Amino acid sequence: DTAVSQTPKYLVTQMGNDKSIKCEQNLGHDTMYWYKQDSKKFLKIMFSYNNKELIINETVPNRFSPKSPDKAHLNLHINSLELGDSAVYFCASSQDFGVAETQYFGPGTRLLVL
Amino acid sequence: AQTVTQSQPEMSVQEAETVTLSCTYDTSENNYYLFWYKQPPSRQMILVIRQEAYKQQNATENRFSVNFQKAAKSFSLKISDSQLGDTAMYFCAFMKPSIIQGAQKLVFGQGTRLTINP
Repeated sequence: DTAVSQTPKYLVTQMGNDKSIKCEQNLGHDTMYWYKQDSKKFLKIMFSYNNKELIINETVPNRFSPKSPDKAHLNLHINSLELGDSAVYFCASSQDFGVAETQYFGPGTRLLVL
Repeated sequence: AQTVTQSQPEMSVQEAETVTLSCTYDTSENNYYLFWYKQPPSRQMILVIRQEAYKQQNATENRFSVNFQKAAKSFSLKISDSQLGDTAMYFCAFMKPSIIQGAQKLVFGQGTRLTINP
């Protein structure tokens, strides 16, 4: 019973293509996040959604468009992929009670742009 | 803006030894939360331990404990009786609470690669 799941786990694609990564959580949480881990292992927040509403948008190029069809799902669509988009993308979720709740991470999606 | 610094890119110890990973952070906030996450070769990010800044008592979870020094803005992780399965990247992270739901982001350090040798 996976708590936070992501598909696909690996994605290899050509520059210029458009791709999507899907995330689902079965924890009943109302907040979901996307983080990017670069080749140096540095992790940085990209977006957060609370009850399908975009809350954090951390100076990410507008080629990246998150979408939350419901509070259990958060997808990330990337247009016109560039070499620099190669990274591991992590989805996370938490239940936001107004204090700092623990974020639970998915297994990550390794994206390689050739 | 908050920053988190892990000054040890890599560490290596023998199995059963005790190891301490360093983390310092910079913030002007008085209320915040600190976390250690572990990322084994499987790539999964796993919560190890968390500490609320308003609590003076250091958090412990089995073999994992922290030394939280609020005035020094230091948050080190001690792993006792280290095991081969502790081999992983360890990330220190900072979070500022917010009344805006969904606005609480984790700010991560650069990570420390820990290897436990048999």
